[in-house]
Amino acid sequence: QSALTQPASVSGSPGQSITISCTGTSSDVGGYAFVSWYQQHPGKAPKLMIYEVSNRPSGVPDRFSGSKSGNTASLTISGLQADDEAHYYCSSYTSSSPLLHVVFGGGTKLTVL
Amino acid sequence: QVQLQESGPGLVKPSQTLSLTCTVSGGSISSGAYYWSWIRQHPGKGLEWIGYIYYSGNTYYNPSLKSRLTISVDTSKNQFSLKLSSVTAADTAVYYCAREHFYSRVRFDPWGQGTLVTVSS
Repeated sequence: QSALTQPASVSGSPGQSITISCTGTSSDVGGYAFVSWYQQHPGKAPKLMIYEVSNRPSGVPDRFSGSKSGNTASLTISGLQADDEAHYYCSSYTSSSPLLHVVFGGGTKLTVL
Repeated sequence: QVQLQESGPGLVKPSQTLSLTCTVSGGSISSGAYYWSWIRQHPGKGLEWIGYIYYSGNTYYNPSLKSRLTISVDTSKNQFSLKLSSVTAADTAVYYCAREHFYSRVRFDPWGQGTLVTVSS
């Protein structure tokens, strides 16, 4: 069981918007501004898409955006494209005991219909 | 542009020690701005943080692996390494090395391509 809760799957049609949630606790998502999101295509390494809740690394399209409310972080992808089909993982800094440093969500499979 | 590359045996026998090395190119591992991390992914599963090392040698480990884990750094070779002892089939996974920003926690970028390690006799 992962420390952060994500929906197992989401889907959307090309051009639409989808949002993936990531729910934790006040010891991780709710307590820190250190939430990241990763995209992983099959057989590939994860790629950083969002860091510090809502910041995009250079090269990541502005169709990807992040936010947080309370203990839940969200990744929104607008203008869905076929290449967005992948697994998405959230991660958060944590102060939970035993001290872990980093917790990940279980991942969400995005299907572009 | 910094790149990371994992290397090591793809097959390890149960009860033996899993050893992997991550070679950093395009930048110095001695930069004080980063932690150097190991992360693994069991087949078809999510990501699990293993631990990190700072260039000074300071380490921090996942408590669930701490008793079997050693992460070390060789600044002269621009490499850091992982040793996991007494492995079982549960340690079969793709192992990634990644750079984490010191002042921006859980900002892992870039990642190595990953290496599959199978524990089997």
